[in-house]
Amino acid sequence: DVVMTQSPLSLPVTLGQPASISCRSSQSLVHSDGNTYLNWLQQRPGQSPRHLIHKVSDRDSGVPDRFSGSGSGTDFTLKISRVEAEDVGVYYCMQGTHWPPTFGQGTKVEIK
Amino acid sequence: EVQLVESGGGLVQPGGSLRLSCAASGFNFRNYWMNWVRQAPGKGLVWVSRINSDGSSTSYADSVKGRFTISRDNAKNTLDLQMNSLRAEDTAVYFCASGYQMDFWGQGTLVTASS
Repeated sequence: DVVMTQSPLSLPVTLGQPASISCRSSQSLVHSDGNTYLNWLQQRPGQSPRHLIHKVSDRDSGVPDRFSGSGSGTDFTLKISRVEAEDVGVYYCMQGTHWPPTFGQGTKVEIK
Repeated sequence: EVQLVESGGGLVQPGGSLRLSCAASGFNFRNYWMNWVRQAPGKGLVWVSRINSDGSSTSYADSVKGRFTISRDNAKNTLDLQMNSLRAEDTAVYFCASGYQMDFWGQGTLVTASS
């Protein structure tokens, strides 16, 4: 199985400041169809996961533009340009290129 | 509005069975692959099972293979997960998620396997 490794696992951030989460995969996530199926999900406290970004950098409908994804191959990053209170929660990367789909351990974003 | 509503969770003794359901609305259910993903208390997300759009192809995590069965009814817009021979380590919130890349998630249903 593809191992997804996130860092840091805990990220205290000051409101209005940027935040960055890294996600690395144990093998390339480039699919034979040319796409890279790296997704980012947000899980707010007490809620179910919400899909934020698909194919590395495409934001889902309704996702604020302060969220951005980047990367290629095995190294990926989720950035929040200016953290707001509603961004508190756990962020997961998830690969859908290889079977079975696998998730990172999660990064907990909290306000300092 | 896309909605996925899970039901069927509860307390069951180890070795017992439970059937989870997921009712879908707001999208063309029959066109989408569907997944079950679980989250043990305080832990991360783990994929459990997947079924293709017409139900002809299924796959399972090794940890549940031979014990769990995924199925769907496209006429009723429902997804099911039959769980047999439950173990303590199956205790988790179970989410259904739509699409191959799990674009939308339900609110989850809690399964507790304990004596």
